[in-house]
Amino acid sequence: NAGVTQTPKFQVLKTGQSMTLQCAQDMNHNSMYWYRQDPGMGLRLIYYSASEGTTDKGEVPNGYNVSRLNKREFSLRLESAAPSQTSVYFCACNRDRSYEQYFGPGTRLTVT
Amino acid sequence: KNEVEQSPQNLTAQEGEFITINCSYSVGISALHWLQQHPGGGIVSLFMLSSGKKKHGRLIATINIQEKHSSLHITASHPRDSAVYICAVIGGNQFYFGTGTSLTVIP
Repeated sequence: NAGVTQTPKFQVLKTGQSMTLQCAQDMNHNSMYWYRQDPGMGLRLIYYSASEGTTDKGEVPNGYNVSRLNKREFSLRLESAAPSQTSVYFCACNRDRSYEQYFGPGTRLTVT
Repeated sequence: KNEVEQSPQNLTAQEGEFITINCSYSVGISALHWLQQHPGGGIVSLFMLSSGKKKHGRLIATINIQEKHSSLHITASHPRDSAVYICAVIGGNQFYFGTGTSLTVIP
């Protein structure tokens, strides 16, 4: 049982480049989330998905897109990276009727 | 505005000390979640509670719904407890996260 996995662990992008952060869970949970964590701020929700095929915006969705193609995988795409998107990104999931979240190891992204 | 406030922001303790981290919130909640973030960055769940008190090993979490306040206690602290402790509340199907308390336990 890997739990929640994220790839890559580290990434450096130039301004304007695009990339996709991958997240997969083997816990059979319906709900999945993407957060960003910045110094001095709490985790902020970018997008979430309550089930396969559905996605909703969170607190800070601008500059991001997501895709929930199946129950296991929830990807986050940056179409044109900006320095303001330098952050640590966490994927999380929780099972139905439970608010206890399980987090991936994070992706540290730097945009220069 | 911050729906969740934690105190202190930083805490240094000697090994063996009793530690308390506080969390106050301003929204109506369904549950409160204490998380631990290790120096390497990984985040793990410690407790999920909606009333009363929970204990796991040397960690104790309490919540007072009327006062909108929760505390995380660590008894007999150890250097391996050094981490950032994050309080999160769930209200109206939304998650609100505190900025964390950075704990350093010195041998």
